[in-house]
Amino acid sequence: GNSVTQMEGPVTLSEEAFLTINCTYTATGYPSLFWYVQYPGEGLQLLLKATKADDKGSNKGFEATYRKETTSFHLEKGSVQVSDSAVYFCALSYQGGKLIFGQGTELSVKP
Amino acid sequence: GAVVSQHPSWVICKSGTSVKIECRSLDFQATTMFWYRQFPKQSLMLMATSNEGSKATYEQGVEKDKFLINHASLTLSTLTVTSAHPEDSSFYICSARVFSGIDLNTGELFFGEGSRLTVL
Repeated sequence: GNSVTQMEGPVTLSEEAFLTINCTYTATGYPSLFWYVQYPGEGLQLLLKATKADDKGSNKGFEATYRKETTSFHLEKGSVQVSDSAVYFCALSYQGGKLIFGQGTELSVKP
Repeated sequence: GAVVSQHPSWVICKSGTSVKIECRSLDFQATTMFWYRQFPKQSLMLMATSNEGSKATYEQGVEKDKFLINHASLTLSTLTVTSAHPEDSSFYICSARVFSGIDLNTGELFFGEGSRLTVL
């Protein structure tokens, strides 16, 4: 079946540090992959996506590359800010728009 | 981007009562909406797919008689938690898809703000 596994949080970083949040998946077929972000007190927002192998999604300094050979979609940012503090969810799409989410990784960035 | 609105954003009810949560697409028509449930410190779990004009499709293990879903129009889907109990307390989130092509898996999903239900 389909599943998504993320690294456990919480992750605490200092401002301007490098961020990596690991995400691996298992899937039948060729799903699209997504990163969603949930800021405190707000709903989910799409951060970036990739629809096929070797695609790189990027937005707001974040990026992730769809790696079919390692079934991974790790999220990276070169220099995090306090405003990036949020919960990040990796997800894959199947069966016409349904999403399977990873367990979420809480990121806390300290000034 | 497209806007999806949920109402109420939070609700407290007594055990045994029913609660209705609305999900509206404000600036686009959504033939399909999805309902998720999020437990504290955990991920989102898909409950059901809501299709305009037809019955909802429920995921395995989700009680269709407990969680009634109605998609009466292209902009509104409702989730009714019937005879709510404390274990139904959760954060319920809806999403609606805007098609971006033939591949249904790439249409962008927009999420509501979520509705927090607390059953006493």
